[in-house]
Amino acid sequence: DTAVSQTPKYLVTQMGNDKSIKCEQNLGHDTMYWYKQDSKKFLKIMFSYNNKELIINETVPNRFSPKSPDKAHLNLHINSLELGDSAVYFCASSQYGELFFGEGSRLTVL
Amino acid sequence: AQSVAQPEDQVNVAEGNPLTVKCTYSVSGNPYLFWYVQYPNRGLQFLLKYITGDNLVKGSYGFEAEFNKSQTSFHLKKPSALVSDSALYFCAGPTGGGNKLTFGTGTQLKVEL
Repeated sequence: DTAVSQTPKYLVTQMGNDKSIKCEQNLGHDTMYWYKQDSKKFLKIMFSYNNKELIINETVPNRFSPKSPDKAHLNLHINSLELGDSAVYFCASSQYGELFFGEGSRLTVL
Repeated sequence: AQSVAQPEDQVNVAEGNPLTVKCTYSVSGNPYLFWYVQYPNRGLQFLLKYITGDNLVKGSYGFEAEFNKSQTSFHLKKPSALVSDSALYFCAGPTGGGNKLTFGTGTQLKVEL
């Protein structure tokens, strides 16, 4: 049983399109995150939700919209994709500070 | 606010030799710090954490880390490196409130035969 699962694992799309990445955790954690890892492997937090409420919203373009239908799910929708959005997006969940990561979703914008 | 820094982009070590991956932190208040490992095309995996107590923290896969308050460091160590330890290692610490964990820039560890 995968603790934090993301779909899709790979996503290739054209500039201007809209796409979504889904994340589910079965660990019973209250807090979930989206992180972006760029081509230099730098990791940057984008959003965090605690029990379906947004608690962290970093300086992210408003083309990115997270949505948490319940505390086990955190989805990421991206509108009007740009070349610079190409990256690996990681979902994570946490309890008591320790993060559990999904395997990542590699987004390539052409 | 707290941040972490990893001064080395890459560390090379021969199999069987001890390894050290460096991390320094800046903090207001008592720090709590983490090490994570990322294998190619995988998500990050938790290795160990320091909250309070013993300055030497033991973690997964034979790794340990030493919290040094006077040097504001939290270096990751292993007495005898394996080729399979080759991966990208991240130090992390909380910044601000709201469970926000900030990661260092990562250090690529390469263990060679």
